[in-house]
Amino acid sequence: KQEVTQIPAALSVPEGENLVLNCSFTDSAIYNLQWFRQDPGKGLTSLLLIQSSQREQTSGRLNASLDKSSGRSTLYIAASQPGDSATYLCAVSWRNTDKLIFGTGTRLQVFP
Amino acid sequence: DAGITQSPRHKVTETGTPVTLRCHQTENHRYMYWYRQDPGHGLRLIHYSYGVKDTDKGEVSDGYSVSRSKTEDFLLTLESATSSQTSVYFCAISEADRVGYGYTFGSGTRLTVV
Repeated sequence: KQEVTQIPAALSVPEGENLVLNCSFTDSAIYNLQWFRQDPGKGLTSLLLIQSSQREQTSGRLNASLDKSSGRSTLYIAASQPGDSATYLCAVSWRNTDKLIFGTGTRLQVFP
Repeated sequence: DAGITQSPRHKVTETGTPVTLRCHQTENHRYMYWYRQDPGHGLRLIHYSYGVKDTDKGEVSDGYSVSRSKTEDFLLTLESATSSQTSVYFCAISEADRVGYGYTFGSGTRLTVV
C-alpha cells in the first residue's frame, strides 16, 4: 500500500531558527512530490513541487529535497518567522496512479 | 484559489438528506478530485475524474457519488448524509497527464450533518 508519513506531528520553535520537516513514503516509484501549507480554517497553498527526476527545489527561504532511494523528502525552512506558523502537508503521486496521497501533516508554531 | 471555486462554502444539513457539493474550474484541466479532511486522518481521496463522464473511486468512496458532465464541473453527492460525513471537503484539479504537473486546491466546503 502506498503511504505517506510525516514526522513530527507538531513542532514549536522560537523565531529565527532553521528547521526541517520530514516526509517519508513507501514505494520509490513516485511521479512527483508536493509540499503544501495550510492555515487554520483555510485551503491548501502549494509551496514546492519536486519531480521524480529532481533532487531539490527552492523558493525563498524554503528548500525541499527528495531522495527516492530512501523514500524521503525534507522541507527546510530558514530563519523561521511567526508568519510561518501553519500546518505543512507532504503529498506524493506515484507512476501507476493518477492520485495524490497525503501525509497527516506537521503543525508548526513559530513564537516571537 | 484562482481558477477553482467550491460551493457552498458552508452547509448544515440533517441526517438522511441528500447533499450536493459543486466544484467549478476555469483552467480546462482534465483531472479533478474530491478529498475530505478530518482531524487525525489528513486528506483522504473520495473520488476523482480523468475526463467528462470518466470517474473512479478513491479510498473513502462509500456513501458518495460523483458526476462530471462538463469539463469545468465536478459534483459530489452524499446520497443520504450521516454524521460521519461531517467534514471539510476539498476539490482539486491537475493536469496529471502532463510532465511536471501539480495540484491546485479549492478553498473547501465545511459540511455539518446534524
